[in-house]
Amino acid sequence: DIQMTQSPSSVSASVGDRVTITCRASQGISSWLAWYQQKPGKAPKLLIYAASSLQSGVPSRFSGSGSGTDFTLTISSLQPEDFATYYCQQANSFTLTFGQGTKVEIK
Amino acid sequence: EVQLVESGGGLVKPGGSLRLSCAASGFTFNIAWMSWVRQAPGKGLEWVGRINSKTDGGTTDYAAPMKGRFTISRDDSENTLYLQMTSLKTEDTAVYYCATDRLGIFGYFDLWGRGTLVTVSS
Repeated sequence: DIQMTQSPSSVSASVGDRVTITCRASQGISSWLAWYQQKPGKAPKLLIYAASSLQSGVPSRFSGSGSGTDFTLTISSLQPEDFATYYCQQANSFTLTFGQGTKVEIK
Repeated sequence: EVQLVESGGGLVKPGGSLRLSCAASGFTFNIAWMSWVRQAPGKGLEWVGRINSKTDGGTTDYAAPMKGRFTISRDDSENTLYLQMTSLKTEDTAVYYCATDRLGIFGYFDLWGRGTLVTVSS
């Protein structure tokens, strides 16, 4: 199975900050990567698919980049509603795997 | 309304069995590839498995820890997805979500249910 490793596991940031989360795949996955946001007690929400495509309705302050093994999710200006846990997930194979998550906390 | 609604969770003893259901509405269920994803308390997301549409063969795939114990099936006449779980272990305790990818690209889950909690405990 393809292993997905996110870093950092948590980050403290203030409203207005730029936040970057990285995700590394254990083998090349081309651009077969999604990013999700999850708030406590809620289902995950798709933010980015195909590494850099913004899901409909998601604010443009979210962006994704990368290909192969290294990927990045960037929040350009953190808003109060962005405090949540973020997961990457590879879709390169028919058996999917998620990263362990990155919690974005209020500084 | 476009939605997925899971049901069937509850408390079960180790070694027991449980069947979860996921009722779909508002989209063309019979062509959707459907997945189950779980989340243990305080932990991250774990993909459980997937079933293709019948037109795409109706095949299934499972994550390694679930193979041989979990079975995914579907009833397109009822717009319902199922997860049959057997030989349950305490580590199977989790919220179980059903999800699908209406983008038409497998693995990008843009529609999720609210989840149903399964607790495996003696």
